[in-house]
Amino acid sequence: DGGITQSPKYLFRKEGQNVTLSCEQNLNHDAMYWYRQDPGQGLRLIYYSQIVNDFQKGDIAEGYSVSREKKESFPLTVTSAQKNPTAFYLCASSIGSGSTNEQFFGPGTRLTVL
Amino acid sequence: LAKTTQPISMDSYEGQEVNITCSHNNIATNDYITWYQQFPSQGPRFIIQGYKTKVTNEVASLFIPADRKSSTLSLPRVSLSDTAVYYCLVGDYTGGFKTIFGAGTRLFVKA
Repeated sequence: DGGITQSPKYLFRKEGQNVTLSCEQNLNHDAMYWYRQDPGQGLRLIYYSQIVNDFQKGDIAEGYSVSREKKESFPLTVTSAQKNPTAFYLCASSIGSGSTNEQFFGPGTRLTVL
Repeated sequence: LAKTTQPISMDSYEGQEVNITCSHNNIATNDYITWYQQFPSQGPRFIIQGYKTKVTNEVASLFIPADRKSSTLSLPRVSLSDTAVYYCLVGDYTGGFKTIFGAGTRLFVKA
């Protein structure tokens, strides 16, 4: 059963701690994305990767880091430098990175900073 | 910088046709327009995509005028389950390609 998974579904973090959100896909997609969504707001792009071992900053990359060592995995680390990390985080993938490529989204991780 | 502008919210009744318009004045010549639907606490899902004129699938139609500076998503005979946020998406080629989701349109369908 092909798809994109994110874990955990809910995550709680103390201020000053780094935390890593998992994103895995078995769709054999080259491109992967991380978005942040705040309550009542749209999606904002954090990082994206068009191919393994390559990634680019999106509009709100400060305080976040990513890696793309394997095609199927694109973990996102929320560092202590991110001032307001409480949000809903969505991972997506697509066959390629052009605008014609449909993005498939995971179920999301809701991060709360205590 | 490519960006989209949509109405913040719309209300409708069951059985009506709903049209949501998106402005994308700076769309690139080779770019497509894509619409997504999002339910609360879920990831968006693809609805429809087009380049010009009209595209229709089993759930929606997409109308794109010749100048491509706007597009209209048409949902025929909406039901309560169509209550969701609808996003218009275009590409941004500034410094390398990436996708831009706007703020979306919150559609509320009433009985």
